[in-house]
Parts: sequence; structure tokens; C-alpha cells
Amino acid sequence: QIVVTQEPSFSVSPGGTVTLTCGLSAGSVSTTHYPSWYQQTPGQAPRTLIFNTNTRSSGVPDRFSGSILGNKAALTITGAQADDEADYHCMLSMGSGIWVFGEGTKLTVL
Amino acid sequence: QVQLRESGPGLLKPSETLSLTCTVSGASVTSGNFYWYWIRQPPGKGLEWVGYIYYSGSTKYNPSLKSRVTISLDTSKNQFSLKLRSVTAADTAVYYCARKGVMVAAPVDDWGQGTLVTVSS
Repeated sequence: QIVVTQEPSFSVSPGGTVTLTCGLSAGSVSTTHYPSWYQQTPGQAPRTLIFNTNTRSSGVPDRFSGSILGNKAALTITGAQADDEADYHCMLSMGSGIWVFGEGTKLTVL
Repeated sequence: QVQLRESGPGLLKPSETLSLTCTVSGASVTSGNFYWYWIRQPPGKGLEWVGYIYYSGSTKYNPSLKSRVTISLDTSKNQFSLKLRSVTAADTAVYYCARKGVMVAAPVDDWGQGTLVTVSS
């Protein structure tokens, strides 16, 4: 069974840059996995940030960007702000209509 | 503005069947442009894709849950539903209904607020 891997936690200083990654336990992530990224604050439903690897959802600030870095999908936050402190989830297409989420990364801004 | 709202019992005993309904407003479940999703999140854990249904009635389920899951549509009420049989404590989670565009690259772009279902004897 393929597992989608994410860093359990990460921290960034206000104004700093952080890159969160989304990988596979076997193989590489590519654009054909159509990676998407979701931000979730405590007690709230997830909010779409990035889809189709690098397309920002409507209203998402341009400090959020998506890419493929090496063999993983990546979410980069440039100029982190206090309200970026949240859980970040990636989702990958496994083909044949099957989708898998990663375990999520808890981002602390301090 | 699309709104999705989950409803159903919040407490179940082991071996019972979980039944949740998602009521959709601002969009039609008969639209051919979207899949209607169920996603769950155990307390303190990540999201888990449960499955989806299309307006035609076709479905796709998480392989790990496939033997216990059924997702159905009620077009007369503009709702879709989730049934999960033989629940255990491991099925305790916040259950979200959501909408995703049919293009594979499209995001899950509208979410319900989520409803907590607890399985406990």
C-alpha cells in the first residue's frame, strides 16, 4: 500500500520562507499525480490553497506557491505570517479515480 | 455560493452502521461538472479520502473501506449520503462532505463544516 508522506511538523519565523513536501513511500511524485494542498486551522474545514501542482485557488495570497521539487510535491510559503500557522495537507491522484491524502504537516510560526 | 451541510447521528456503538447525509444548496447534485465527496479526519490525524459519487450514480471508494462503504444520491432532496457498515472505534472521525470538479486537476473546492461521529460502547 502506497503511503503519502509529509513532514509531521515544521516551524518558520515570521517573514521567513518554508517549504513543505509531499512524497510517496514508493516512487516519485509528478504532475500526473495532480498534487493539491489544503490549509486547515483548528476546528475548521480545510481550505484549498493550491491545485494541479501550482495553481493558486481564488483568493489565495501569492506568498503561497506549489511546485515539484525533486521527487516530491512542494508547498512554499514566502514571507510567512502569523495566521499561516495551521495544518497543511496534500492530496495526490493515484489514478483510476483514487485519491490519497498525506498525514499533514503542522506548521508553527514563531 | 455553494453550501454543504452534513447531518446524522454523532454517537454509534461498535458494529452499527454509520449514516450521514450531505445537503447541498446553491448547486445541484445532478450537475455533470462535479463529483460529490466524503472525506474524514480522525481526531488529531490527517484527512482520509472515503469516496465519491457522480450524478450518474457511479461511485469510487477508498480501497481500504470499499467493503463497508456505500455512497448514494437523492436528487429529489439535492442530497448525497454515506453509509459505513460494521463501524469500530477506528471509524471515529470528523466526516466532511465536499465537492470537486470532474477534471482530474480540479481541487476539492467546497467543503461542509464537518460532523463528528464517535464510535464507543
